[in-house]
Amino acid sequence: NAGVTQTPKFQVLKTGQSMTLQCAQDMNHEYMSWYRQDPGMGLRLIHYSVGAGITDQGEVPNGYNVSRSTTEDFPLRLLSAAPSQTSVYFCASSRGDSYNEQFFGPGTRLTVL
Amino acid sequence: SQQGEEDPQALSIQEGENATMNCSYKTSINNLQWYRQNSGRGLVHLILIRSNEREKHSGRLRVTLDTSKKSSSLLITASRAADTASYFCATDDNQGGKLIFGQGTELSVKP
Repeated sequence: NAGVTQTPKFQVLKTGQSMTLQCAQDMNHEYMSWYRQDPGMGLRLIHYSVGAGITDQGEVPNGYNVSRSTTEDFPLRLLSAAPSQTSVYFCASSRGDSYNEQFFGPGTRLTVL
Repeated sequence: SQQGEEDPQALSIQEGENATMNCSYKTSINNLQWYRQNSGRGLVHLILIRSNEREKHSGRLRVTLDTSKKSSSLLITASRAADTASYFCATDDNQGGKLIFGQGTELSVKP
């Protein structure tokens, strides 16, 4: 199994551009989530999904959209990138719900100029 | 605001010493999890303790949970240089939805 994969690994955007961060898992996990990690702030939850067709907001959802059309994929869309969205983004998945061990992807390092 | 907060923010010890990290949280939980993150990598799950458990062991790791004080501690015994990493606690919202991480403790183990 590949586990949780994220693409791209690195991305540089200009302010106002849009893009999609990809996340996929091959473990048939119901629960998937997106976090951003900034220095001194730990990980902050952006959006999460408890199954295909179901998404909900986390702590810092503004400026981001998600959808969950399949169990495997959970893309994160930046609608109009801002410098404040410069961060490292992690996708995670688990069986069931948030009560269980989370498997993390390797991260996407995003810089917005 | 974040559910879990770790203390200390940074810890530097010598190889062979024990390292203790603490986590406090605000609301009732179903369980509490600890993760490790090596520099530039994703997080790796270490141990999960349920709200009805008080102590759990895994190799050189010992986790305690005090639900009355809303706190947990992670003890790493006989530390090694390879234990150098950031350690995070994570708590759920007791509804199976959100899993919130603390800010982490940066552990440095000097050979």
